Parts: sequence; C-alpha cells; structure tokens
Amino acid sequence: GQQLNQSPQSMFIQEGEDVSMNCTSSSIFNTWLWYKQDPGEGPVLLIALYKAGELTSNGRLTAQFGITRKDSFLNISASIPSDVGIYFCAGQLTSGTYKYIFGTGTRLKVLA
Amino acid sequence: DAGITQSPRHKVTETGTPVTLRCHQTENHRYMYWYRQDPGHGLRLIHYSYGVKDTDKGEVSDGYSVSRSKTEDFLLTLESATSSQTSVYFCAITRSSSSYEQYFGPGTRLTVT
Repeated sequence: GQQLNQSPQSMFIQEGEDVSMNCTSSSIFNTWLWYKQDPGEGPVLLIALYKAGELTSNGRLTAQFGITRKDSFLNISASIPSDVGIYFCAGQLTSGTYKYIFGTGTRLKVLA
Repeated sequence: DAGITQSPRHKVTETGTPVTLRCHQTENHRYMYWYRQDPGHGLRLIHYSYGVKDTDKGEVSDGYSVSRSKTEDFLLTLESATSSQTSVYFCAITRSSSSYEQYFGPGTRLTVT
C-alpha cells in the first residue's frame, strides 16, 4: 500500500532552536496536511497545502508542498517548550475520494 | 473546534463482546472518518463515509463495520472484539467538498482484555 515516510522519528532540541521535519512518498498527493498531537488528545490541524511549491506559514510554523508533489516539509522557528508533541503529516490521495494517509509522526522534545 | 464529539471516551471490554463507538458532529459535514492509532503505525483509516448510508472501506477495515443513518452520527462497530483491536480510535470530518482540511475528535481509548 501507499506509505508516507516521516523523518526524523524523534528529536531533542534546545529552546530557541529551529526545527525541520519532512514527509516523503513514492506517490503523488493533491493536498498535504500537518498536525500536532498532544498526549491524550486528538491531532490538531496546523497547516494545509494545496499546490506544488506552495509555502504557507502559521505563526512560527512554515510548511512547503514539494514541487514533485511527493514530499512536504515543516519548519518551526525559535522553538518553545509548548512545541513539545508529535507532529504528523497527511497526504490526500489523488483518487478524489477524500481519503488520506498519515506519516508515523515526529516526536519533538524541547529542552528549556 | 469542528464540533466533533466521541463516546465513550474510554472503554474496557472483554474479547468476543460487541462494541459500538459513536461519533457525533454538529456542523452538517458530509465526510466522516474512523481511524485507529497505534504506536509505530500512526493513524490508519478504518472506514469513511461520504454521505448518509454511503460508506467505504479503509486500509484496516477487517473486523469493523460502520453505519451512518443520519448526517450527524457515524457509528463504528466491532462485532466481536479481539485484543488486536485495543487502540485509540479517532473520528474525523472534512469540512466541505471545497476544502480538504480534516479535523479530528478527541478520541476513544478502547481496551480489549
């Protein structure tokens, strides 16, 4: 089946540092979504991307839709302790069925 | 907040018993989904619905059935629960046919003993 490879799986960073993570696939996607999940809660949508090459920001978060449509990137600038959590990417399949597949997540830990 | 509630939020049940999880939304969204989340697997689609009585299988649909008799409710049933179905289950909606943004409910933690 189709898979999304998300990396890194986990990372420790110092407060104030910038963070980068990405998702790659052998499949082409129409839409990329990025989520953050805190323990015991549902994923919260951070950014949605709809066009190849698109760069979208949400506060300190910036995400990009790769030009090949097979990858996407999320950057967090000047990390703070509340950025701790698991970040997921999701790609909308091109079949037009509104179905998505998810990456396995990047666990972010911020050291104060 | 996309107006999604899930019930129950926690459930412990025994192997072989039937279990039904409910997802309720208040904003008349057409598309609704059930996912399960397990360590190392991320979120995997079980079933989804594109309208009342219109449903389709996801990648891990074996052992699960769904029903949607009203726009606002999407039910997930485990006919005979097994220990491998111990998981956290999330309901999600896509806001409209012109937006591909997907929003999640708070989740149901199910333990099958």
